Amino acid sequence: NAGVMQNPRHLVRRRGQEARLRCSPMKGHSHVYWYRQLPEEGLKFMVYLQKENIIDESGMPKERFSAEFPKEGPSILRIQQVVRGDSAAYFCASSPPSRYEQYFGPGTRLTVT
Amino acid sequence: GENVEQHPSTLSVQEGDSAVIKCTYSDSASNYFPWYKQELGKRPQLIIDIRSNVGEKKDQRIAVTLNKTAKHFSLHITETQPEDSAVYFCAASPTVGGADGLTFGKGTHLIIQP
Repeated sequence: NAGVMQNPRHLVRRRGQEARLRCSPMKGHSHVYWYRQLPEEGLKFMVYLQKENIIDESGMPKERFSAEFPKEGPSILRIQQVVRGDSAAYFCASSPPSRYEQYFGPGTRLTVT
Repeated sequence: GENVEQHPSTLSVQEGDSAVIKCTYSDSASNYFPWYKQELGKRPQLIIDIRSNVGEKKDQRIAVTLNKTAKHFSLHITETQPEDSAVYFCAASPTVGGADGLTFGKGTHLIIQP
């Protein structure tokens, strides 16, 4: 059973460009979570999605950030008009229905130049 | 919202000794408390978790205790080994109606001295 997959693993964007991060949950998992980790800090919750639904986006900035988890395909975290402060590691996690354990992917390290 | 405090930020112990990391949380609705281990440049790995209906859980050299009244929980690692060196994060979640986003502590850098 493959683990949570994320791509790309590293992404470099210039200020003002768009960043698109992808996450494929573990097989059988229908819940996806996105977290952001700044250097030397803990993980900050951003958004929780189930297929075709955003359940909780309380941790996601209101502007420039959006997330989706379509019926088919991976979950996407989109950051428009990136700024230097968006540089961080972005992790997604997945959990199966009716369970609490969250399993993390390897992360996407976004660098904004 | 929930706030999780974690101490200490750095912990250095001799190989073979025990290590204890402590966390407090603020939201009495939180009822799920996982611990993650993260090695440098790697993904966080779930090592143990506890639900609020139990006070203690053990898995080989790792144990977690929970005091709901005081709103604190702790990770205990016995007979530490070099491969235990990593950053450990505690987290809390209210899980009302199912899984929810986790609120993490800032992490403890555990160093095992040979």
